Amino acid sequence: EAGVAQSPRYKIIEKRQSVAFWCNPISGHATLYWYQQILGQGPKLLIQFQNNGVVDDSQLPKDRFSAERLKGVDSTLKIQPAKLEDSAVYLCASSLETRGLTEAFFGQGTRLTVV
Amino acid sequence: DQQVKQNSPSLSVQEGRISILNCDYTNSMFDYFLWYKKYPAEGPTFLISISSIKDKNEDGRFTVFLNKSAKHLSLHIVPSQPGDSAVYFCAASSVWSGAGSYQLTFGKGTKLSVIP
Repeated sequence: EAGVAQSPRYKIIEKRQSVAFWCNPISGHATLYWYQQILGQGPKLLIQFQNNGVVDDSQLPKDRFSAERLKGVDSTLKIQPAKLEDSAVYLCASSLETRGLTEAFFGQGTRLTVV
Repeated sequence: DQQVKQNSPSLSVQEGRISILNCDYTNSMFDYFLWYKKYPAEGPTFLISISSIKDKNEDGRFTVFLNKSAKHLSLHIVPSQPGDSAVYFCAASSVWSGAGSYQLTFGKGTKLSVIP
């Protein structure tokens, strides 16, 4: 079974530039998450999708971050414009959960450095 | 306001001995708990979980204990092996979040080093 795929693995940009990350979840997984992990911290949820609908984006800085999940499969997370404090690893995860609890499976993440 | 706390940033254990990683939580609505393991440059991988209706769950060398009254859980690894060296994250969830789904809240992680 293929895992969660993310690209790119690494990205370095200057502040005020824009960047986009891509995620392909495990086939059949209805729920997709984007997490931000700052160095020394645990992953923090940015946005959660159920199929192609947003379930929770309360912690997403909407003035600069946006995300979409096209056709309920792939997802992109965009930052525009980037700030220095956005330097982090961006993790995508998916789960089979519909009405029951299952664990989330994570991709390898995209390490973003804003200079 | 950290709802899931891992107060030990690091832990060193001799190979063959027991590793005990601790986690405390503050939100009494949490009723499902998971441990994830993370190697450098990789995403977290699921290790073991426990529902709040249980106080113990065992899977091979890994056992998770839950003390609901103390809002505390721990992960025991016996015997510890060098390949267990990684960062371990405690995560907690409530079955029905306000969004009708469930979300994971993570602690900051504990870096385990198993010394050969």
